[in-house]
Order: sequence, then C-alpha cells, then structure tokens
Amino acid sequence: QVQLVQSGAEVRKPGSSVKVSCKTSRGSFSRFPLIWVRQAPGQGLEWMGGIIPIFGAVNYAQKFQGRVTITADESTTTSYMDLRSLRSEDTAVYYCARDRRPSDYGDYEAFDIWGQGTMVTVS
Amino acid sequence: QSALTQPRSVSGSPGQSVTISCTGTSSDVGAYNYVSWYQQHPGKAPKLVIYDVTKRPSGVPDRFSGSKSGNTASLTISGLQAEDEADYHCCSYAGSYNLLFGGGTKLTVL
Repeated sequence: QVQLVQSGAEVRKPGSSVKVSCKTSRGSFSRFPLIWVRQAPGQGLEWMGGIIPIFGAVNYAQKFQGRVTITADESTTTSYMDLRSLRSEDTAVYYCARDRRPSDYGDYEAFDIWGQGTMVTVS
Repeated sequence: QSALTQPRSVSGSPGQSVTISCTGTSSDVGAYNYVSWYQQHPGKAPKLVIYDVTKRPSGVPDRFSGSKSGNTASLTISGLQAEDEADYHCCSYAGSYNLLFGGGTKLTVL
C-alpha cells in the first residue's frame, strides 16, 4: 500500500521560509505526478503546484510563482515544497497528493493518495 | 484563474439525497472530463470519492455518483448516512498541468 508521509509541524516568523517534505513509501515514485495543496483554517483546498519526478517537470499556480519551489529526489523518493517570504496568510495545513495515474497521459487525472498534512504557522 | 464555485453548505436527512454543484468555465470543467470530488472529515486528509466526472474508486459506496453538464459538475449522495457528514471539494484539470479546486461544501446530515 503506497503511503505519503510528510514532515512535522513548523512555526515560522513572517519573512522567513519553510520547507516541507513528502516521502513516498512502498510504491512507485518517479512516474506519478505529485501535487502540493494547502488549506487555510476554515477554508477550501488550494492547488500550489506539482511535479513529475521522472521528468523533473514542475508547474506552479500563478498565485505562488516566484515564491514556491517544488523538487523531487528520486534517490530518496521524497518531494519537497519550499515556500519563501512567509506572511500570516500562509498559515495553513499543507498536503502532498499523488495522481492515481502515471504521467504517460500528459495531464493530471485525480489524486487518490494523500499525505497526512503538515501544519505551518506563521506568527 | 478563479476557484470553482460550490455552495457553502447543503443539508439533508438520513435516507435522503443531496446534490452539490461545482461551477467552472469552458476552460476547465467544460473542457475536460477530469473532474474529481474529495470527501474530508474534520482534521483528516481529503479522500477521493469520484474521478473522471462519474467514476468511483474501489471501496467508495455506490451511493456516491457524479455528473457534468456544460461548465457545471455535480456530486450526488443518495441514501444519506450520518458518516457522510463532511466537507466536499471539487477539482478540475485546467490544461497545461494546472488544477483548480472549489471552495468546499459542508454537508450536514440532519
């Protein structure tokens, strides 16, 4: 059973940065698109960006362009999301999620495996 | 790109049916059959309940169904049960490896 295991909660000051990790265990890593999504308190889900590890291809939501970097390390089957210039509005739970279908199709389909979430508090 | 539009809340009694709408544009919901729905209980990660507009992952009860007409997708839950009370989020592919989520809908089982 594939699992995504994320790093623990973080507290940061405004203006600083945070790096959250997401490790894929017991399953294929490289061929499946992986996305990062956040959820502010009481709010909906917000797509931040995604990566296809085998290609190193990365896409970001326009809102986060220039402030977020998503990477993937195939040797450790771990993806990282680095968010910079933090402000209070970035306080949220950050999730990684894996597409149910490999990248051969050239798009995203749907996300059936999710990490447990990482709370990031900016204060 | 704006988020997809969902009602803030819906409610229904046990045994009844409820439908949650998700409205996008001709560039996302209307353009692709990659609409998915996620159920989220408080403090938990989202769970996929519908993908490709109408398909159910293994293990999801057939009480959950999806549809789409034009730029609006819908999730219908029939035979409501107490455990269906949760937040529901829609998601659509928007081309060029872009995604949009809705604002989420809180389902209350009365």
